[in-house]
Amino acid sequence: DQQVKQNSPSLSVQEGRISILNCDYTNSMFDYFLWYKKYPAEGPTFLISISSIKDKNEDGRFTVFLNKSAKHLSLHIVPSQPGDSAVYFCAASEAGGYQKVTFGTGTKLQVIP
Amino acid sequence: KAGVTQTPRYLIKTRGQQVTLSCSPISGHRSVSWYQQTPGQGLQFLFEYFSETQRNKGNFPGRFSGRQFSNSRSEMNVSTLELGDSALYLCASSLLDTQYFGPGTRLTVL
Repeated sequence: DQQVKQNSPSLSVQEGRISILNCDYTNSMFDYFLWYKKYPAEGPTFLISISSIKDKNEDGRFTVFLNKSAKHLSLHIVPSQPGDSAVYFCAASEAGGYQKVTFGTGTKLQVIP
Repeated sequence: KAGVTQTPRYLIKTRGQQVTLSCSPISGHRSVSWYQQTPGQGLQFLFEYFSETQRNKGNFPGRFSGRQFSNSRSEMNVSTLELGDSALYLCASSLLDTQYFGPGTRLTVL
């Protein structure tokens, strides 16, 4: 049972435009969400996180939106750059159990120059 | 500060063999988690150790085991390897809420 789902395995965006990566979850106990970026042959790198008490968190070009009622979160990258091309993983954890993090299957983003 | 290191980076084994992977966390981090990454399943949680104790465990068979040493270094062992165990095994260490990943060990089972 995939508790964290990224339904788009890939996404192509023109440089300078907005990239929107989506993630859905089923476990209502999840209250902390993270996005990781992964380049080939490297481990995932933490990008941005959001707690369930917020609905938006922004860090530079990256913004994460959380819609708890829809059990949906999204990552916006504006403007997209070629260096953003990577696989993006959505992850979630429960209260007090951040060590057990459930990951989605990833979305491969390609930013076209 | 040095990042998470994993050894070896690549490993080729045959079915039935056993393998031990090593992870050195970031200095000061006491929590170490292990994940298996495969193309179809994404990142799946194996287990997490904190202060030499297994604190969380994912849904993997008993062939997968681990341990953590007093210096927080961790090892993961897989016995009686199967073809389906071929994957990238990632280790992550954390101090608070954010996990920092190592580069992974690519295991190929022939």
